[in-house]
Amino acid sequence: GENVEQHPSTLSVQEGDSAVIKCTYSDSASNYFPWYKQELGKRPQLIIDIRSNVGEKKDQRIAVTLNKTAKHFSLHITETQPEDSAVYFCAVFSGSARQLTFGSGTQLTVLP
Amino acid sequence: ETGVTQTPRHLVMGMTNKKSLKCEQHLGHNAMYWYKQSAKKPLELMFVYNFKEQTENNSVPSRFSPECPNSSHLFLHLHTLQPEDSALYLCASSQEYRGSEKLFFGSGTQLSVL
Repeated sequence: GENVEQHPSTLSVQEGDSAVIKCTYSDSASNYFPWYKQELGKRPQLIIDIRSNVGEKKDQRIAVTLNKTAKHFSLHITETQPEDSAVYFCAVFSGSARQLTFGSGTQLTVLP
Repeated sequence: ETGVTQTPRHLVMGMTNKKSLKCEQHLGHNAMYWYKQSAKKPLELMFVYNFKEQTENNSVPSRFSPECPNSSHLFLHLHTLQPEDSALYLCASSQEYRGSEKLFFGSGTQLSVL
């Protein structure tokens, strides 16, 4: 089945700095890559996603890049704010496994 | 808020108890999911129902028994659980089960098995 690895597990940045979280996957047939944000005590919510026919997608301060050859994708948050503090999960949809497999999460802390 | 509500929010049960978790979605979706979230671990898919039919069962122990009476309601019946089953159980829904669709999560039930 699909194997998704997410790094780092914890990340602290100063407010205003950028944060980057990276995920690697194993199944070259994977074609959908969402990112979910889960604030403390709240439900996970989709913040951005990308499909395999696109290399980069941006939504205001958030961007995702995909490298299909290397089988990794990254979440980029610019000009971080305290409200960006949360756990971020990457996920990968593998057509062969027909399932969405999640990474283990990154605890992002934005220091004021 | 997101249209997926779960009850109860917290549940403490003994290993011999029987309890049920309930999920309801008001989004008109046709697929519903149960996920298990344990500390420091990835979200684990347990069950998927698409148009009321169970389409996925990820080798979940039989002490967890799902039920989907219609596209809006999903239950997880629990019996003779183990302490390692303590976790946050999240329900989610999506338009259909194709895997590449946005999931809408509920707030979860925090389960503690004593």
